[in-house]
Amino acid sequence: DAGVTQSPTHLIKTRGQQVTLRCSPKSGHDTVSWYQQALGQGPQFIFQYYEEEERQRGNFPDRFSGHQFPNYSSELNVNALLLGDSALYLCASRDGSQETQYFGPGTRLLVL
Amino acid sequence: QKEVEQDPGPLSVPEGAIVSLNCTYSNSAFQYFMWYRQYSRKGPELLMYTYSSGNKEDGRFTAQVDKSSKYISLFIRDSQPSDSATYLCASNRDDKIIFGKGTRLHILP
Repeated sequence: DAGVTQSPTHLIKTRGQQVTLRCSPKSGHDTVSWYQQALGQGPQFIFQYYEEEERQRGNFPDRFSGHQFPNYSSELNVNALLLGDSALYLCASRDGSQETQYFGPGTRLLVL
Repeated sequence: QKEVEQDPGPLSVPEGAIVSLNCTYSNSAFQYFMWYRQYSRKGPELLMYTYSSGNKEDGRFTAQVDKSSKYISLFIRDSQPSDSATYLCASNRDDKIIFGKGTRLHILP
């Protein structure tokens, strides 16, 4: 049983560009959350998707958007990249009936 | 005030020692508490999950929650070099996980 997978593993972009990160949840999981982890910090909640809709959102600007597909996989899009967007982006999934969330390995984004 | 506070360390202890990692939290509405372990350049891995006050044991790991003082602890017995990682305490509010900064732990062989 594969866990949460994310792609790509690493990414380098320049300021102003746009990026799309992808996540496949653990088998049987229907709820996907995205987190941003800056260096030396704990992960910060960006948003959560369930039934292809954004269910709740953290304190992140509209440059951060997402999508969930019918197979429960998800994308995180970031527009107009800033240097401060450099971080590890983590995807977490859970079964709708459970509370525990399981994290993927993350995508490390560097904005130059 | 951050909702979950955690000393970032680093904390260095000799192999075989008992490790004590601690957090405090401010939100009385928190009901679930977790400890995640994160190796360098990897995603967080759930170690312990607890709902109520008291102790929960799993192998060499014991999680302790004191809701009256809003204090969370993780104890690691017979520490091993492979335990060297960052340990994140966390709670769950409205299905969002609220993390502390994490404590970097080094187990010295």
